[in-house]
Amino acid sequence: DSGVTQTPKHLITATGQRVTLRCSPRSGDLSVYWYQQSLDQGLQFLIQYYNGEERAKGNILERFSAQQFPDLHSELNLSSLELGDSALYFCASSYLHTGELFFGEGSRLTVL
Amino acid sequence: GQQLNQSPQSMFIQEGEDVSMNCTSSSIFNTWLWYKQDPGEGPVLLIALYKAGELTSNGRLTAQFGITRKDSFLNISASIPSDVGIYFCAGGNNNAGNMLTFGGGTRLMVKP
Repeated sequence: DSGVTQTPKHLITATGQRVTLRCSPRSGDLSVYWYQQSLDQGLQFLIQYYNGEERAKGNILERFSAQQFPDLHSELNLSSLELGDSALYFCASSYLHTGELFFGEGSRLTVL
Repeated sequence: GQQLNQSPQSMFIQEGEDVSMNCTSSSIFNTWLWYKQDPGEGPVLLIALYKAGELTSNGRLTAQFGITRKDSFLNISASIPSDVGIYFCAGGNNNAGNMLTFGGGTRLMVKP
């Protein structure tokens, strides 16, 4: 158990819809990262927050947005969903700026 | 953007054999990390390397941070069935908020 909690674990929705994925970081971790993993693909960095502020941005689509709340949990919002958005979405957290990330179990999104 | 080339993409080996995989980059990284992902799980950190030339072991795993800071390798000695999974290398830079760039992964299969 990494200590990072993601909900929901599975989500099935239709094209054009909007979903919100939630992440609770490990206790004490200030940084939250979101990654996308498509079928048999590597991990693509989406966005990082540190103590409520956006810190780094990767290849995140304009249809996607995220935020980190004062209690440090984070949400990833995916809108106008397309079939190609079907993927595993991982949240990770870290305390030190060492790159040692602790990943949640992921949220599997299926867009039909 | 930065890209990591990880090889081999997959390996099918006999239990007890040693395994070697590597990662190369066109860019320099300050940190190299190796993660393992089991089916249906998030990646788990195996080894973190912070200094060029550093050689670090974790049980049967040994990893090295290349002297040029553009490559790293991971060796697994005397493989066992539970070594099955996908191994990812990742490179990070402190000045990028420690956003990690991941390799495409090496899928390891072990035949008992």
